[in-house]
Amino acid sequence: NAGVTQTPKFRVLKTGQSMTLLCAQDMNHEYMYWYRQDPGMGLRLIHYSVGEGTTAKGEVPDGYNVSRLKKQNFLLGLESAAPSQTSVYFCASSYPGLAGSLAKNIQYFGAGTRLSVL
Amino acid sequence: GENVEQHPSTLSVQEGDSAVIKCTYSDSASNYFPWYKQELGKGPQLIIDIRSNVGEKKDQRIAVTLNKTAKHFSLHITETQPEDSAVYFCAAKNGIGKLIFGQGTTLQVKP
Repeated sequence: NAGVTQTPKFRVLKTGQSMTLLCAQDMNHEYMYWYRQDPGMGLRLIHYSVGEGTTAKGEVPDGYNVSRLKKQNFLLGLESAAPSQTSVYFCASSYPGLAGSLAKNIQYFGAGTRLSVL
Repeated sequence: GENVEQHPSTLSVQEGDSAVIKCTYSDSASNYFPWYKQELGKGPQLIIDIRSNVGEKKDQRIAVTLNKTAKHFSLHITETQPEDSAVYFCAAKNGIGKLIFGQGTTLQVKP
């Protein structure tokens, strides 16, 4: 049981290049998330998905696109990378229960992808 | 908009001392409050959580307290050890089920 796996672990891009980050989970979770982590700003939600074939914008979605073609995979794309997208990216998955209920939303995180855009 | 404020941003304690990290939240509909620990080079991992119908929860050396009226919750670590050194994040589950994270606290435990 690997949990949440992110690839690649490190990447350096030039401004304007494109790339895709892959997240895979083997826990059969419905919900998946992409966050970025910057110093002093905590974890900010980029996009999320509540099920196969669905995606939604989070707090900082501009410059990113996502796809959830299979339940276990969640892809994050950068079409034209910018230096402001230099960050550490984390994927997470969860089964949060019903909104408004007392159900927990325990998110399981991958190890992260460190991206530098020059 | 809804947010979670976390303090302090850095905390340095001597081994064996206690450490306290505090968070406040804005969404009164929040009803679930997890704490995550992030070690260097790794993703955050859940260490303890509390639901809004409970005021305090303890797990060995760590405890979390919740004051719903004041919209405050805190993490308490007693008898700190060097392996407690990490970044700690609080979070609150908002009214539509999403987690809103605090800015993080870097805890350093000096041997």
